[in-house]
Amino acid sequence: AQSVSQHNHHVILSEAASLELGCNYSYGGTVNLFWYVQYPGQHLQLLLKYFSGDPLVKGIKGFEAEFIKSKFSFNLRKPSVQWSDTAEYFCAVNAVSGGYNKLIFGAGTRLAVHP
Amino acid sequence: NAGVTQTPKFRILKIGQSMTLQCAQDMNHNYMYWYRQDPGMGLKLIYYSVGAGITDKGEVPNGYNVSRSTTEYFPLRLELAAPSQTSVYFCASSYSKDGQPQHFGDGTRLSIL
Repeated sequence: AQSVSQHNHHVILSEAASLELGCNYSYGGTVNLFWYVQYPGQHLQLLLKYFSGDPLVKGIKGFEAEFIKSKFSFNLRKPSVQWSDTAEYFCAVNAVSGGYNKLIFGAGTRLAVHP
Repeated sequence: NAGVTQTPKFRILKIGQSMTLQCAQDMNHNYMYWYRQDPGMGLKLIYYSVGAGITDKGEVPNGYNVSRSTTEYFPLRLELAAPSQTSVYFCASSYSKDGQPQHFGDGTRLSIL
């Protein structure tokens, strides 16, 4: 069965620190990959996505993610976090199956950034 | 555009009561989804629909029912509320093509007491 693993459930950083959140998935075929962010009390918003091409994907608010096919990974990075990045981050995988747009979500990583 | 609209935002139910969570989207998306979000568990798919009149079960469908009479609306029904259904429920929609991102509503926080 397809699954998505996020390595860290809670991350605490100071402002200006660098961020890397791990995401691994289990699926041998073609995948589309997403990172969603959920700010406190809000709905999930798309941060960035990978379909094909350049494995380094840039998203909104200075976030980027790198798809490493050989490692089945899609880690999220940001060089310098801000207090406003405090949120929960979800990695999601869509296994390309010819029409059914099903997403499998990881359990989420809760990020707290202290000023 | 309003995007995906969910009502109500909060609700408290007694065990055994029933209710319908409403979801509407104005983006003409074919695909719609219902998820529940529990702490530390991510999002679990309850039901999904690939178009009007077509629905199917997700990972955790027990205790829920859905209908999709039109493209815009995708209500989720709880027939006999149980404490295990205390959760935050999110509705989402997307275009049908693989890889298109899902757009989420603001969620309904439901407590069963």
